[in-house]
Amino acid sequence: GAGVSQSPSNKVTEKGKDVELRCDPISGHTALYWYRQRLGQGLEFLIYFQGNSAPDKSGLPSDRFSAERTGESVSTLTIQRTQQEDSAVYLCASRWSFGSYNSPLHFGNGTRLTVT
Amino acid sequence: AQKVTQAQTEISVVEKEDVTLDCVYETRDTTYYLFWYKQPPSGELVFLIRRNSFDEQNEISGRYSWNFQKSTSSFNFTITASQVVDSAVYFCALSTNYGGATNKLIFGTGTLLAVQP
Repeated sequence: GAGVSQSPSNKVTEKGKDVELRCDPISGHTALYWYRQRLGQGLEFLIYFQGNSAPDKSGLPSDRFSAERTGESVSTLTIQRTQQEDSAVYLCASRWSFGSYNSPLHFGNGTRLTVT
Repeated sequence: AQKVTQAQTEISVVEKEDVTLDCVYETRDTTYYLFWYKQPPSGELVFLIRRNSFDEQNEISGRYSWNFQKSTSSFNFTITASQVVDSAVYFCALSTNYGGATNKLIFGTGTLLAVQP
């Protein structure tokens, strides 16, 4: 079946503009995660969804960042008033999470965001 | 606090050499899971292995093997007879249930492995 799909794959935006990044998880995966990966660095947790609710938003770096999920499927990560330090690859991951505590995350290919 | 440390930033080997990637973790939880992911130049993260804290048996999968030692909080990854296709960034990650059911993965900073022909 299809894996985690993210769009766009690349996004170049001007400082101060808003951007929306989209994630289509694997069908049936109830848990969805957003991570950020700056150039040459590890993955930084942003937010976790279980179904349509987000019990853990602890990684969102500022109130310019928000995310939502609808229909226990698609998720959108929105960055308002983008800054140059927002430039990174934004990765989405999903997993089946009903009694399968240790199931691995399946990652998409990411959206490479460049803020000029 | 939970933390994963991959002290080796970059490793370069010649094809057919064995190479070990180190991973040290910190957690107060007694139940936790450890993972290794591979990120080739294409960028997609590929799951390699999952190990729970109650299973300290080492695991071998082809040229890959993993050594889990709770006494030293380490989960090292060895590639035997390395190949050029093994060139990638390798991430070690930790998942716990401390403070809730997030089960988020906490990643190390990764080790860039370059295998020269």
